[in-house]
Amino acid sequence: QAALTQPASVSGSPGQSITISCKGTNSDVGSYNLVSWYQQQSGKAPKLIIYEGTKRPSGVSERFSGSKSGKTAFLTISGLLSEDEADYHCCSYAGRSTLIFGAGTSLTVL
Amino acid sequence: QVHLQESGPGLVKPSETLSLTCSVSDDSFSHYYWTWIRRPAGKGLEWIGRVYFTGDTNYNPSLKGRATVSMDEPKRQISLTLTSVTAADTGVYYCARVVSPPTSFDPWGQGTLVTVTS
Repeated sequence: QAALTQPASVSGSPGQSITISCKGTNSDVGSYNLVSWYQQQSGKAPKLIIYEGTKRPSGVSERFSGSKSGKTAFLTISGLLSEDEADYHCCSYAGRSTLIFGAGTSLTVL
Repeated sequence: QVHLQESGPGLVKPSETLSLTCSVSDDSFSHYYWTWIRRPAGKGLEWIGRVYFTGDTNYNPSLKGRATVSMDEPKRQISLTLTSVTAADTGVYYCARVVSPPTSFDPWGQGTLVTVTS
């Protein structure tokens, strides 16, 4: 069960939009609309920002959005703020009651 | 808002068993799955396993049967034991509530660092 593939790092300037990809297989991302995304700021616990691929929990900024195409899920952050600088992790249901994470992406706000 | 707090020894010797506990503040304890997740140093998150109040459990197959997740309902605690630890098991361990539908994690505990060293 290999980890989902994410870019190691992405960067953007304040006000810009960035997109983080999360590539899986037909056994996980490609077969289920059950991808979640987590923001982990330095020294803090992860925080749920997207679930079931596109849904935002109450209190999460509309600047965060999720989508999927085939075996790849995407997290888009619009109107970048300095406070968005963090690690971002994707997670997918992988069948047989198991879950799998990506390796994480470090976002730098320039 | 439910609060989760992990506890346990920060140091474990190689080949020994790691034991952690997560205390849950909320009375909704019995209505959710609860899970353990870890983040090895310099790496991404790894799902370990989850437990439901019925006792049903599911595990990451990559751990090859070394992990056991259980719950103590009267104490509102979730436990993790991981046998035959090696340096690769060093990292920050988090407990979390599993939500909707149950494939997402919210909220998380603050995490506890476990170092495997002789």
